[in-house]
Amino acid sequence: AQSVSQHNHHVILSEAASLELGCNYSYGGTVNLFWYVQYPGQHLQLLLKYFSGDPLVKGIKGFEAEFIKSKFSFNLRKPSVQWSDTAEYFCAVSRSFSGGYQKVTFGTGTKLQVIP
Amino acid sequence: NAGVTQTPKFQVLKTGQSMTLQCAQDMNHNSMYWYRQDPGMGLRLIYYSASEGTTDKGEVPNGYNVSRLNKREFSLRLESAAPSQTSVYFCASSEAKDFPRWPQHFGDGTRLSIL
Repeated sequence: AQSVSQHNHHVILSEAASLELGCNYSYGGTVNLFWYVQYPGQHLQLLLKYFSGDPLVKGIKGFEAEFIKSKFSFNLRKPSVQWSDTAEYFCAVSRSFSGGYQKVTFGTGTKLQVIP
Repeated sequence: NAGVTQTPKFQVLKTGQSMTLQCAQDMNHNSMYWYRQDPGMGLRLIYYSASEGTTDKGEVPNGYNVSRLNKREFSLRLESAAPSQTSVYFCASSEAKDFPRWPQHFGDGTRLSIL
């Protein structure tokens, strides 16, 4: 079965520190990869996505993620975090099934707290 | 600039009561989704609708029914609520003209408590 692992459940950083959130998935075939963010009290928003091409993906708000196929990983990075980055981050993986449906599996999320 | 609108935002039910959660999107999207979010479990897909008139089960469909009333609206019904259905429910939509189909826009969620 397809699964997504986010090993860091809660990360605390000071402003200006660098961020890397881990995401690993279990499926060996062709996948699409996503990072979503949920700010406190808000709905999920898409940060970035990877379908094909350059494995280094740039997203909104200075975030980027690198797809490393050999490691089944899609880690999220940001060089310098801000207090406003405090949120919960979800990695998600999708793959195609018959009928065109992309089964999207979400990780359990990583709560990031940035201390001013 | 509404996007995906869910109603209600909060609801408390007693075990055995029924309820319908409403979702509407104004982006002319084809696909719509219902997820539940539980602590430590991420989001899990309950049902989805790839287009008007079609619905399919997701990972956790038991205890729920859905209706894709038209292109805009996708409702989720709990026929006989159980405490295990206490959760935050999110509706989402995606344009999904072609592959791939994945949730692009989410609503603000409905926080549902079953006593």
